[in-house]
Amino acid sequence: EDKVVQSPLSLVVHEGDTVTLNCSYEVTNFRSLLWYKQEKKAPTFLFMLTSSGIEKKSGRLSSILDKKELFSILNITATQTGDSAVYLCAVDGRGDRGSTLGRLYFGRGTQLTVWP
Amino acid sequence: NAGVTQTPKFRILKIGQSMTLQCTQDMNHNYMYWYRQDPGMGLKLIYYSVGAGITDKGEVPNGYNVSRSTTEDFPLRLELAAPSQTSVYFCASSYPGTAHSYEQYFGPGTRLTVT
Repeated sequence: EDKVVQSPLSLVVHEGDTVTLNCSYEVTNFRSLLWYKQEKKAPTFLFMLTSSGIEKKSGRLSSILDKKELFSILNITATQTGDSAVYLCAVDGRGDRGSTLGRLYFGRGTQLTVWP
Repeated sequence: NAGVTQTPKFRILKIGQSMTLQCTQDMNHNYMYWYRQDPGMGLKLIYYSVGAGITDKGEVPNGYNVSRSTTEDFPLRLELAAPSQTSVYFCASSYPGTAHSYEQYFGPGTRLTVT
């Protein structure tokens, strides 16, 4: 059973469009939610969110977390072809056996394609 | 700082063969992880380690083994390769994640095909 659900799974837009990617989760002992960008190789870190309502921004990317409704969104404004990638959402929760180790539960990702 | 390095980049195995995927990090991270990523899916945790000499199973450990004799190295062993193990394997490391969350740094991945 999926603990982290991303939507949509695939999205095709044109340069200049604004996109919103969704991530909902159900993870025991939530500690943080992370967004990664994956371009046919290793995931690279974008944001870590731990508190509700505080927007994180990096250039044209921004993200916000709602811990009451258990979801996060990732916004990309004025998209460029270089934004084409899979965007992974991961939630850091305490291990199933109650260990102190935080472990990441990943969603399937959203494949974003930006056409020129 | 090379970060997290993995070898090999690609490998084709026959059913029943064994191999070791190598992972090394030079960031002095205590925590290391092995994930597999199947097409169109997220990453699934295979094994992890909180320090030298300590390893534990993740979500999908069957068919794999690990060891952690040093802080830097965390090799993943496949003993009897099966087609179901065809996947891309990522190694990752992070600072200790007890009181706080820390991002995980990923290696470039190993693409393994078992035929």
